[in-house]
Amino acid sequence: GQNIDQPTEMTATEGAIVQINCTYQTSGFNGLFWYQQHAGEAPTFLSYNVLDGLEEKGRFSSFLSRSKGYSYLLLKELQMKDSASYLCAVSDSNYQLIWGAGTKLIIKP
Amino acid sequence: GAVVSQHPSWVICKSGTSVKIECRSLDFQATTMFWYRQFPKQSLMLMATSNEGSKATYEQGVEKDKFLINHASLTLSTLTVTSAHPEDSSFYICSAPRGEYYEQYFGPGTRLTVT
Repeated sequence: GQNIDQPTEMTATEGAIVQINCTYQTSGFNGLFWYQQHAGEAPTFLSYNVLDGLEEKGRFSSFLSRSKGYSYLLLKELQMKDSASYLCAVSDSNYQLIWGAGTKLIIKP
Repeated sequence: GAVVSQHPSWVICKSGTSVKIECRSLDFQATTMFWYRQFPKQSLMLMATSNEGSKATYEQGVEKDKFLINHASLTLSTLTVTSAHPEDSSFYICSAPRGEYYEQYFGPGTRLTVT
């Protein structure tokens, strides 16, 4: 079957760096997405990786290793507003998105 | 600004009634839209893929006669929850693909409460 694993919850300190991991097993691969979802709101797009390596976008970076079925989202200079759930999703061979359960990130002052 | 809108943002209805939720792409055409359901503290669950001009594709376990989807135009898809029950209370979100990576743009969601 297809599955995506992420930690359920993480806690970090304001101003610090946190890495949220995502491992996947899917039938085919057409890219991996990271989304941010604040409580009670819809998800918003953060990043997309289809080739191995690191994609940097401001305070957020996303890494992909296709051979390992692994990705991470790196958040730097954490701010209180970064408290949210972070969803990993993989596009499979049919371009269907397979969603992880999400990682709830708690930022403490 | 928002590229996908949903209406209503929240609705309370009585058990046994039907509720229609609209999803619109605001400045682009979407031949495909997706409908999700999300229960508290759980991840998104894809319910169905809405295809303009043809029948929707439902995920396993989703009753197509209960969750009616109509994609009548390139900018509008509707989800009708028929004969709603309290267990249908959830957060319903639509999305449409767009952009450089064909990423999903989500509507703001509709919170349905069935009493």
